Amino acid sequence: GENVEQHPSTLSVQEGDSAVIKCTYSDSASNYFPWYKQELGKRPQLIIDIRSNVGEKKDQRIAVTLNKTAKHFSLHITETQPEDSAVYFCAATATDGNEKLTFGTGTRLTIIP
Amino acid sequence: EPEVTQTPSHQVTQMGQEVILRCVPISNHLYFYWYRQILGQKVEFLVSFYNNEISEKSEIFDDQFSVERPDGSNFTLKIRSTKLEDSAMYFCASSLQQRQETQYFGPGTRLLVL
Repeated sequence: GENVEQHPSTLSVQEGDSAVIKCTYSDSASNYFPWYKQELGKRPQLIIDIRSNVGEKKDQRIAVTLNKTAKHFSLHITETQPEDSAVYFCAATATDGNEKLTFGTGTRLTIIP
Repeated sequence: EPEVTQTPSHQVTQMGQEVILRCVPISNHLYFYWYRQILGQKVEFLVSFYNNEISEKSEIFDDQFSVERPDGSNFTLKIRSTKLEDSAMYFCASSLQQRQETQYFGPGTRLLVL
């Protein structure tokens, strides 16, 4: 089955700087890659996703890049703000008829004011 | 904006007891999922459900677990005889279509088994 690795596990950046979180996946059939933000005690909230037919997607301060050949994808947050502090999970899903999400282990992002 | 809802928000139970976790998916969604998250760990898939039957289940989803859509709106997860290791946050999710479609998560039920 699919295996998703995520790095780093913790990340601290100064407010205003950029943050990058990286994930790799194992199943070459995976072609949908969402990113979820989870604040303490809350539900995972989708912040951005990318499908395998594109290499990059941007939404304001958030962008995701996908390298299908290398089987990795990354989340980029620019101009970070204190409210960006949360745990971020990447996920992948393979198109074999079931669409279960396989999650990475999470990155705890702390924005230092 | 419609959201997935779950009840209860917290449940404390004794080991060996049965619990039922309830979810109301977004009304026009067709695919339903249960995930769990042990404290401090990643979210893990339990089961997916479509057209009144299980589409896929993980190795975690053993005979102690069952799911049901008893009416047109609710989607339930039953744990027949809880174990200490079932303590976790349980999330329900739903999506409109299955392929490459966003899954929207509910707020979760925190289950504590004593």
